[in-house]
Amino acid sequence: NAGVTQTPKFQVLKTGQSMTLQCAQDMNHNSMYWYRQDPGMGLRLIYYSASEGTTDKGEVPNGYNVSRLNKREFSLRLESAAPSQTSVYFCASSEVRGFSYNEQFFGPGTRLTVL
Amino acid sequence: GENVEQHPSTLSVQEGDSAVIKCTYSDSASNYFPWYKQELGKRPQLIIDIRSNVGEKKDQRIAVTLNKTAKHFSLHITETQPEDSAVYFCAARVNAGNMLTFGGGTRLMVKP
Repeated sequence: NAGVTQTPKFQVLKTGQSMTLQCAQDMNHNSMYWYRQDPGMGLRLIYYSASEGTTDKGEVPNGYNVSRLNKREFSLRLESAAPSQTSVYFCASSEVRGFSYNEQFFGPGTRLTVL
Repeated sequence: GENVEQHPSTLSVQEGDSAVIKCTYSDSASNYFPWYKQELGKRPQLIIDIRSNVGEKKDQRIAVTLNKTAKHFSLHITETQPEDSAVYFCAARVNAGNMLTFGGGTRLMVKP
């Protein structure tokens, strides 16, 4: 049981390049999330997916797109990277049933630098 | 939307002392308040959480208190140990989609 996995672990891009961050979970969770973490700013939600086939914007969605490929996988795409997108990106998953409160499990993170 | 403020941003204590981290939230509809611990270079991990119908919850050396009227909640760590050194994040959840809004984090340093 690997939990939440992310690839790659590190990435350096030049301004304007594109890339996709991959995330997968093996806990059969219905909800998945993408966050970015910047120094002193905590974790900010970029996009989330409440279930397979649905996605919604979070607090900071500009410059990103997502795809919920199936129940296990949720990818984050940067179409034209900018230096402001230099950050650590975390994927998370949880099981949500109505108003039940369930822990969000985080992946190990991807450290992205945009030059 | 929800806004969560966390204080202090850094906290240094002597081993064995207590540490308290405080958070305030803006949306009175928030109903779930987890705390995450993040060690250097690692992923955030849940250490304790509290629901809006409970005022206090304890788990060994850690406890969380919630004051719904004042819209604030706090993390208390007693008998701190060097391995408690980490960044701690509070969060609040408003809606059924399990979206969390996080505070800015507190870097706790426990000096041996």
